[in-house]
Amino acid sequence: GDSVTQMEGPVTLSEEAFLTINCTYTATGYPSLFWYVQYPGEGLQLLLKATKADDKGSNKGFEATYRKETTSFHLEKGSVQVSDSAVYFCALSGGGNDYKLSFGAGTTVTVRA
Amino acid sequence: SAVISQKPSRDICQRGTSLTIQCQVDSQVTMMFWYRQQPGQSLTLIATANQGSEATYESGFVIDKFPISRPNLTFSTLTVSNMSPEDSSIYLCSVEGQDLANYGYTFGSGTRLTVV
Repeated sequence: GDSVTQMEGPVTLSEEAFLTINCTYTATGYPSLFWYVQYPGEGLQLLLKATKADDKGSNKGFEATYRKETTSFHLEKGSVQVSDSAVYFCALSGGGNDYKLSFGAGTTVTVRA
Repeated sequence: SAVISQKPSRDICQRGTSLTIQCQVDSQVTMMFWYRQQPGQSLTLIATANQGSEATYESGFVIDKFPISRPNLTFSTLTVSNMSPEDSSIYLCSVEGQDLANYGYTFGSGTRLTVV
């Protein structure tokens, strides 16, 4: 079945550092890919998405490119802030499991001032 | 995108009792999803709820333990029955975006359940 493998955390960074969270997937068909973010004490929010190969999703300074050849959707931000401290989840849908969302394990990111 | 109201936001329950969680959406949606997020874990899909039909449960989840109602296109409930401490989790409902531009899934703010 469809699955997502996400870089394990926790990740601790200083402000203005570069952040990368690796995400690879296994799926049949042509899935859509997502990054969700969960800030402390809050619900899950869609951060960005890409629906086909070579698409780049971007939001709040974060970017991720849908790479079919490497089955990857790595999340990057060039200069993180303390407010980016959160848990980040990579997810996919529309592959072999059709509409269902399959989530990665989540990566906890802490940014220190 | 859709706006989801989920309640209660949190509850502390005695073992052996049941809790019903409500999810209200501000637009009509075909499918609603219920997830569980155990402490420090990722999200696991419990079931998919379609209006007018029985919910479809994922492996490891059964209707007797997690009965779901879907009386119309904007509302669903999930009941956690005969609770034990292992049921302590965050429960979230979710809906799918209705058009390509908004394609994605919106989540409710979650219900944080503690069973004592």
